[in-house]
Amino acid sequence: NAGVIQTPRHKVTGKGQEATLWCEPISGHSAVFWYRQTIVQGLEFLTYFRNQAPIDDSGMPKERFSAQMPNQSHSTLKIQSTQPQDSAVYLCASSLDWGNTGQLYFGEGSKLTVL
Amino acid sequence: GDQVEQSPSALSLHEGTDSALRCNFTTTMRSVQWFRQNSRGSLISLFYLASGTKENGRLKSAFDSKERRYSTLHIRDAQLEDSGTYFCAASASSSFSKLVFGQGTSLSVVP
Repeated sequence: NAGVIQTPRHKVTGKGQEATLWCEPISGHSAVFWYRQTIVQGLEFLTYFRNQAPIDDSGMPKERFSAQMPNQSHSTLKIQSTQPQDSAVYLCASSLDWGNTGQLYFGEGSKLTVL
Repeated sequence: GDQVEQSPSALSLHEGTDSALRCNFTTTMRSVQWFRQNSRGSLISLFYLASGTKENGRLKSAFDSKERRYSTLHIRDAQLEDSGTYFCAASASSSFSKLVFGQGTSLSVVP
């Protein structure tokens, strides 16, 4: 079990460029979550999928951010026209769909730096 | 929205001593998880509780089963490798609802 895999680990972009982050959940897990971590805001929920369907995106900034889960083995978080305030560590987590087991397993994160 | 208040924000312990972290919730929560974030930034799950207590080695966590408004993490016989940032996170509904995180406790264990 390789755990949740996130790529890239580090990404530096210029202001206005696009950034795409990838997440491979633990095999067999049907729930995938995206969180963002900054010094000021701490850990913030962005969005989550269950069986590839978007369930709750209430934490996603309404513009420029989008997330997809085209198949059960990966999810992407795309940020268009990146801004310096988007700089953060973006964390992906997955959870097993088994009764009420809601334990989350996190990846190591993708650190995005927008210059 | 739902809030998680974690305390203390920072803690320094001598090796071999005991301490406790606490999270208070502004609303009734269904479950709580405790994580430790290591130097690489990885969030390692320590406990997941829907009620009661769980223990793993020198760590023990409890979730207030009555009103479900707080949780604690006890560290016994602190060791240098326990240093790191600890987070609690709670869910206000069952299973796959989003977790709301506390602000974290930065723990430093010193000789």
